[in-house]
Amino acid sequence: AAGVIQSPRHLIKEKRETATLKCYPIPRHDTVYWYQQGPGQDPQFLISFYEKMQSDKGSIPDRFSAQQFSDYHSELNMSSLELGDSALYFCASSLVVYMNTEAFFGQGTRLTVV
Amino acid sequence: SQQGEEDPQALSIQEGENATMNCSYKTSINNLQWYRQNSGRGLVHLILIRSNEREKHSGRLRVTLDTSKKSSSLLITASRAADTASYFCATVAGNMLTFGGGTRLMVKP
Repeated sequence: AAGVIQSPRHLIKEKRETATLKCYPIPRHDTVYWYQQGPGQDPQFLISFYEKMQSDKGSIPDRFSAQQFSDYHSELNMSSLELGDSALYFCASSLVVYMNTEAFFGQGTRLTVV
Repeated sequence: SQQGEEDPQALSIQEGENATMNCSYKTSINNLQWYRQNSGRGLVHLILIRSNEREKHSGRLRVTLDTSKKSSSLLITASRAADTASYFCATVAGNMLTFGGGTRLMVKP
């Protein structure tokens, strides 16, 4: 069965550069979530989309933006990268999670800012 | 502040023993989910318990939910070395899935 696909798996950027992370949700899932997980930390919710519209916003810095496209894939754009942005970034998709459905996570993108 | 807080933060047991992890949360929820994460890997869904359910089983997993105390527990019975991982609870309120601090479980062979 198709899973959530994230690309790239690893990314190394220098400070002040920009990065774009991509997420391809499971087909027919209508909700996409982005999370940031620092070393030894729990996943922190960044932002979510429901049917291509921004649904909820968490602790996402102003330097970050995200969108969901007509084909339901989503991109997280990160500008003016800082050392503290080094983390694992996860994307998850689900069918309207409050309807008691589980979220499926991708393998994550490991971003290293040097 | 975290929606879900887990207790203990780390747990070390011998293979064959049971492991219990607890999670507390702060607001009303639609459901609560438990996930597992191997080091540096993606999160794998284990079990979902709805707000109107009190207990749920799945294989060696048993989850309880007490909405009056805003708490949940995950019991892994007859643990195996392969159960070594971090376990997170995540609460669902509206359309948000919010994680708490995980419990790092180590099962020694």
